[in-house]
Amino acid sequence: AQTVTQSQPEMSVQEAETVTLSCTYDTSESNYYLFWYKQPPSRQMILVIRQEAYKQQNATENRFSVNFQKAAKSFSLKISDSQLGDTAMYFCAFMKHVGGGSQGNLIFGKGTKLSVKP
Amino acid sequence: DTAVSQTPKYLVTQMGNDKSIKCEQNLGHDTMYWYKQDSKKFLKIMFSYNNKELIINETVPNRFSPKSPDKAHLNLHINSLELGDSAVYFCASSRGTSGGIKTQYFGPGTRLLVL
Repeated sequence: AQTVTQSQPEMSVQEAETVTLSCTYDTSESNYYLFWYKQPPSRQMILVIRQEAYKQQNATENRFSVNFQKAAKSFSLKISDSQLGDTAMYFCAFMKHVGGGSQGNLIFGKGTKLSVKP
Repeated sequence: DTAVSQTPKYLVTQMGNDKSIKCEQNLGHDTMYWYKQDSKKFLKIMFSYNNKELIINETVPNRFSPKSPDKAHLNLHINSLELGDSAVYFCASSRGTSGGIKTQYFGPGTRLLVL
């Protein structure tokens, strides 16, 4: 069974600074996907960034980027130029690749609560 | 335009009642899911469903049942509600055809409180 571990229950960062959220996972699968979702106080689950395991290049989305280390089974999220609106719970998630028309389920970590301070 | 919507957003009910939560997606996806987020914010899959199969997480009590009238809807029925069912329930959807990353898009969640 796959597991996802987020070792930082809470973090804080000053506005405009950079913060990195950690995520490690355990799997015997060779082909899978990794995601970061954000859940602000509004409760909505918002996709931040995603990564295919077979791609060596780290994904980036504007101020968000990941450091994907497949051998170490690590998938950290870096937020640059932090903004007040980045305050949220951040969830790391794993999905194994399933062939054909099937779909793997998301397995979530327990989340990291990020506070951006003015 | 709301991609994945859920109704109601809040649901307060008594123990023992039966309730339903509705989910609709207008993304043209053919796979839908229900997740439960407990009081500690932990998210766990309950069901995944497409027009071919229903996959049930074995930890889900059989008081919970998904019902899909069509590809755009997956409703969640809960019978004989218990205090421990209090949680936020999220619906999600993704395309199920082969090829490419199948990102799941979430609804706004339904906060269920059982008294």
